[in-house]
Amino acid sequence: GAVVSQHPSWVICKSGTSVKIECRSLDFQATTMFWYRQFPKQSLMLMATSNEGSKATYEQGVEKDKFLINHASLTLSTLTVTSAHPEDSSFYICSARRQGGSRGYTFGSGTRLTVV
Amino acid sequence: AQSVTQPDIHITVSEGASLELRCNYSYGATPYLFWYVQSPGQGLQLLLKYFSGDTLVQGIKGFEAEFKRSQSSFNLRKPSVHWSDAAEYFCAVGVNTGTASKLTFGTGTRLQVTL
Repeated sequence: GAVVSQHPSWVICKSGTSVKIECRSLDFQATTMFWYRQFPKQSLMLMATSNEGSKATYEQGVEKDKFLINHASLTLSTLTVTSAHPEDSSFYICSARRQGGSRGYTFGSGTRLTVV
Repeated sequence: AQSVTQPDIHITVSEGASLELRCNYSYGATPYLFWYVQSPGQGLQLLLKYFSGDTLVQGIKGFEAEFKRSQSSFNLRKPSVHWSDAAEYFCAVGVNTGTASKLTFGTGTRLQVTL
């Protein structure tokens, strides 16, 4: 149990366009989902925390108008990179926390975004 | 604020040898501690976690970790490494922020296994 599906696994887009990444909890309800960004050979940096039905909480330095997060249901959160630029190229990973008290976090397999 | 330090950026061990990956944390209260493994281009897989109770935690794939409050450490160990263990390992501390819990990761340790 506790599977998180992230889609797409990789995407290439043109500079100036927007890209949407989906994160789904397949077999559990996730009250909270997290979005991370990982640069090559570096650690994961938390971008934002999203709670179902409310606005996401962004970490300091993360542009909320550029990285739009929607958590419309207990099983789906989306990250939209708007007006993408080459510097947005990175590995984006989501994780979900199970509803009901467990303190475990399950991670998606990540999305490699390349902006050309 | 909480922080996690993994002092070893890169470790190389021979297959069959024992392994210890170091992790030190800084947090004012009792932390929730995690070890994750990441293969290239993949997400993170949970190896083990500590919330409370027994300070020696057993995980998957033969890994274990010991929580030492006096040293603020949560080192990961494996008695005999397999070539398939080569990957990036991340230590993380989970903290409650009032509205949610979130993880802070260390910078990771890349494990290379020689045959």
